[in-house]
Amino acid sequence: GENVEQHPSTLSVQEGDSAVIKCTYSDSASNYFPWYKQELGKRPQLIIDIRSNVGEKKDQRIAVTLNKTAKHFSLHITETQPEDSAVYFCAASTRGSAGGTSYGKLTFGQGTILTVHP
Amino acid sequence: ETGVTQSPTHLIKTRGQQVTLRCSSQSGHNTVSWYQQALGQGPQFIFQYYREEENGRGNFPPRFSGLQFPNYSSELNVNALELDDSALYLCASRPGLATDTQYFGPGTRLTVL
Repeated sequence: GENVEQHPSTLSVQEGDSAVIKCTYSDSASNYFPWYKQELGKRPQLIIDIRSNVGEKKDQRIAVTLNKTAKHFSLHITETQPEDSAVYFCAASTRGSAGGTSYGKLTFGQGTILTVHP
Repeated sequence: ETGVTQSPTHLIKTRGQQVTLRCSSQSGHNTVSWYQQALGQGPQFIFQYYREEENGRGNFPPRFSGLQFPNYSSELNVNALELDDSALYLCASRPGLATDTQYFGPGTRLTVL
């Protein structure tokens, strides 16, 4: 099955700096890669996602890049703010065929605790 | 449009007991997945329901079971609770099997003593 590795496990930056979190995946059939932000005691919230037919996607201060050949994808946050402090999870999903296979199953990385110091 | 809701928020059980957790999917979403998130870990897929049938299952024993109702709400049942079952249980819904984006509920924090 799919295995997702996420690094680093903790990341501390100064306000205004950039933050980069990296993930690798094992299943070459994976084709959907979301990133979730989870604040303490709250639900995971989707912040950006990318599909395998795209190499890069950007939404304001957040961007995600995907390298299918190397099977890794990264989250980039620019101009970090204290409210960006949270746990960030990457995930990978494989769309299976019709007929009962478990497509849409998300396999998550272990998470990165991001702390942005004012 | 309402989001995904879960009940109860917190639950304390003792080893060997049984528990039922509930999830109401977002309006129009017929696919519900359940995840277990142990402290300090990423969520792990338990199973998925589509139109009232289990559609896929992760590496969890049969004492983890579920249901989906005609209104697409769902239940997660865990029998013979073990200490390691202590975790945050999340459900996520989406409009159908062919869509990728999953929307998570706030979770139920289960503590097994």
